[in-house]
Amino acid sequence: KQEVTQIPAALSVPEGENLVLNCSFTDSAIYNLQWFRQDPGKGLTSLLLIQSSQREQTSGRLNASLDKSSGRSTLYIAASQPGDSATYLCAVMDSSYKLIFGSGTRLLVRP
Amino acid sequence: ETGVTQTPRHLVMGMTNKKSLKCEQHLGHNAMYWYKQSAKKPLELMFVYSLEERVENNSVPSRFSPECPNSSHLFLHLHTLQPEDSALYLCASSQESGTASYEQYFGPGTRLTVT
Repeated sequence: KQEVTQIPAALSVPEGENLVLNCSFTDSAIYNLQWFRQDPGKGLTSLLLIQSSQREQTSGRLNASLDKSSGRSTLYIAASQPGDSATYLCAVMDSSYKLIFGSGTRLLVRP
Repeated sequence: ETGVTQTPRHLVMGMTNKKSLKCEQHLGHNAMYWYKQSAKKPLELMFVYSLEERVENNSVPSRFSPECPNSSHLFLHLHTLQPEDSALYLCASSQESGTASYEQYFGPGTRLTVT
């Protein structure tokens, strides 16, 4: 059974820092991996989607990497801003096309 | 705005009440999903509909009853819920289900509290 783990559960950093969020999954048989952002009381916004054949994706200050064989992904946020404060969710699409989510990392960027 | 709307945004109901959650997508998608996000568990899939047919029921109790009258609308009918059913219920849609080719777009969710 696929399980997705995100570390750390919570993170507080001063504005301007570069930071890394980690995601690991137990079964490497995935179609893709996706990072989402969730603001309090709101739905999910897709940030980056990495297909299983890809190694990384970039969007602005965000860079996500995927190492499928080791079951790991990282989300790198450069020059963090208070507006980046949110919960970041990692999800893998498993072999039956279901999205399996991690519990998220709650990020606070302090001004 | 993702093109997926949900109403109501907040709902408080007693254990003997019957209520319904509504989801509407304006994206022309053929697949729609219900997810549950509890405080202590990761977001988990409940139901999948493709072209108005239910194609997935992820071992959800019968007190949750989904309905998909057309490809743009999805309902979740609730009856005799338990306090542990309190959660954020998220709806999503995608062009098709059963494929990795299309992303899912999520609505803002309905925050449900069962008293």
